[in-house]
Amino acid sequence: NAGVTQTPKFRILKIGQSMTLQCTQDMNHNYMYWYRQDPGMGLKLIYYSVGAGITDKGEVPNGYNVSRSTTEDFPLRLELAAPSQTSVYFCASTLGPGQGAEKLFFGSGTQLSVL
Amino acid sequence: QKEVEQNSGPLSVPEGAIASLNCTYSDRGSQSFFWYRQYSGKSPELIMSIYSNGDKEDGRFTAQLNKASQYVSLLIRDSQPSDSATYLCAVGGGSQGNLIFGKGTKLSVKP
Repeated sequence: NAGVTQTPKFRILKIGQSMTLQCTQDMNHNYMYWYRQDPGMGLKLIYYSVGAGITDKGEVPNGYNVSRSTTEDFPLRLELAAPSQTSVYFCASTLGPGQGAEKLFFGSGTQLSVL
Repeated sequence: QKEVEQNSGPLSVPEGAIASLNCTYSDRGSQSFFWYRQYSGKSPELIMSIYSNGDKEDGRFTAQLNKASQYVSLLIRDSQPSDSATYLCAVGGGSQGNLIFGKGTKLSVKP
């Protein structure tokens, strides 16, 4: 059972470059999320999706875009990378709201450096 | 703005002792509470969830919830060096299914 799979694990970008972080889950979860984690900080929500075709902004969406064409996939797009986007990115999924359903399953993370 | 507050630590305890980790939250309507453990360079993993006032025990871990005080805690009994990690408190209950995370408390268990 793969769970949540993220690729790549590491990436170095130059300022102004673009890239897509891939995320796929095989648990048939409707809800998916992208978080970023800076050193010594908690997880900040970038974007989330409650189902295929539906996405919405989280706490820190600037500089990012997402799409959700299928239940399984939720890629995160960085356009015009900036040093402030240097961070560890986690994709996560869950069944949805409600007791017992909110447990988040995380991918292994992507360490991104923008130089 | 919903907030979750934790002491960043580091919290250092000797092997075999009880480690006590604390968390407060701002949204009185929150209904779901979680503790995640995160080893350095790894993703968070869920270790406890609690939804009702009182204590919930699972092995060496006990989660405590006091909704009136908006306070959640995690006790780790017989602490082991392998428990050394950052512990993230997370609070749910929103319509998006999203969890709000604290910054985490770094725990160090000394042999």
